[in-house]
Amino acid sequence: GAVVSQHPSRVICKSGTSVKIECRSLDFQATTMFWYRQFPKQSLMLMATSNEGSKATYEQGVEKDKFLINHASLTLSTLTVTSAHPEDSSFYICGGASGGAIETQYFGPGTRLLVL
Amino acid sequence: DAKTTQPNSMESNEEEPVHLPCNHSTISGTDYIHWYRQLPSQGPEYVIHGLTSNVNNRMASLAIAEDRKSSTLILHRATLRDAAVYYCILRALNTGNQFYFGTGTSLTVIP
Repeated sequence: GAVVSQHPSRVICKSGTSVKIECRSLDFQATTMFWYRQFPKQSLMLMATSNEGSKATYEQGVEKDKFLINHASLTLSTLTVTSAHPEDSSFYICGGASGGAIETQYFGPGTRLLVL
Repeated sequence: DAKTTQPNSMESNEEEPVHLPCNHSTISGTDYIHWYRQLPSQGPEYVIHGLTSNVNNRMASLAIAEDRKSSTLILHRATLRDAAVYYCILRALNTGNQFYFGTGTSLTVIP
């Protein structure tokens, strides 16, 4: 299957600071990238969908000014958590899809964010 | 978005087949059925997907009911490495291809 990487794998930051998470598709071109977060013992929750070169579409209840998404190339998307607070501590996962009628998503290994 | 229903947990003995069920009674004609699994602190791993016909790959088989309102993921010989949370997801072609994860089934494999 296709490979997606995320960096960093884990990050600890102070409350009020911003954190950027990178998601890269290593062996395919991801025309669409998806960002999820997962709290302990819960399922993945879709946060936003981004198409290369376009503004991201956010799910209901997700603040677009707090979770900034950039998808400037077919192999890179970034999620920036601005002014992070302890309640933003979570496991953030990206998924990439190259498009097509029966395309599936390939997921990164996740980024563990801890806000102190 | 279409919903799926899965048992919260299942157990299987090692080297025995495992049948993981999923109900999706509100599925539409263009929804693909995808299965992923997730190990702790890792991203989901693709397992298999299908539309109407049963599907086989090196990891598993997918049996889809004739009315498409349910499906079953079949692991032919469970190993300890198959212990994970298995998610059954409907992929909506007409609304941006988003995946909405349900609660999944936590599979325990007993040695």
